[in-house]
Amino acid sequence: DAGVIQSPRHEVTEMGQEVTLRCKPISGHDYLFWYRQTMMRGLELLIYFNNNVPIDDSGMPEDRFSAKMPNASFSTLKIQPSEPRDSAVYFCASSFMDRKETQYFGPGTRLLVL
Amino acid sequence: QKEVEQNSGPLSVPEGAIASLNCTYSDRGSQSFFWYRQYSGKSPELIMSIYSNGDKEDGRFTAQLNKASQYVSLLIRDSQPSDSATYLCAVNIANAGGTSYGKLTFGQGTILTVHP
Repeated sequence: DAGVIQSPRHEVTEMGQEVTLRCKPISGHDYLFWYRQTMMRGLELLIYFNNNVPIDDSGMPEDRFSAKMPNASFSTLKIQPSEPRDSAVYFCASSFMDRKETQYFGPGTRLLVL
Repeated sequence: QKEVEQNSGPLSVPEGAIASLNCTYSDRGSQSFFWYRQYSGKSPELIMSIYSNGDKEDGRFTAQLNKASQYVSLLIRDSQPSDSATYLCAVNIANAGGTSYGKLTFGQGTILTVHP
């Protein structure tokens, strides 16, 4: 069974550009989480969804960040406009209702904003 | 005070030794506890979960939980160079009704190096 799939794996963009990160959770999982990891702040939860509905977006840093989950097999995290301080590794993770805390991580998207 | 605290290390142990990784948490409502391993440039991988006080063993790994002291640890016996990685402690907090939100709060991680 395929794990969590993320794309792109690497993204280099210039300040001010729009960035869209994509995630496909494990089939049958009904929780989806977006994390950001930096050396300074570690692994931070940005937002999570249950059955495609956003439950908690308190970790989203500011209005430049938005996330959607139009169906059970796809989610996007968008940054518009991007800034150099957004440079980080963004992970998507998914879990199953009965063990929602047991999260499986995707390979991550390494974002560099110049 | 950070919600989940770990010694960032690096922790260096010789091959074959026991590596001991520690984690403390601040919220007494925390219900479940996890250890993730993250190799450099890779994603976190779940290696242990523990929900009740005491020890839980899985192969060379033992997780220990003491809710009274708000302390969770991970022991790695017979450490191997392939165990060299960053180990992340994660804690799940329930709401007032005891229902888990599913959110995990992670510590900063402890870098472990096992040298031959």
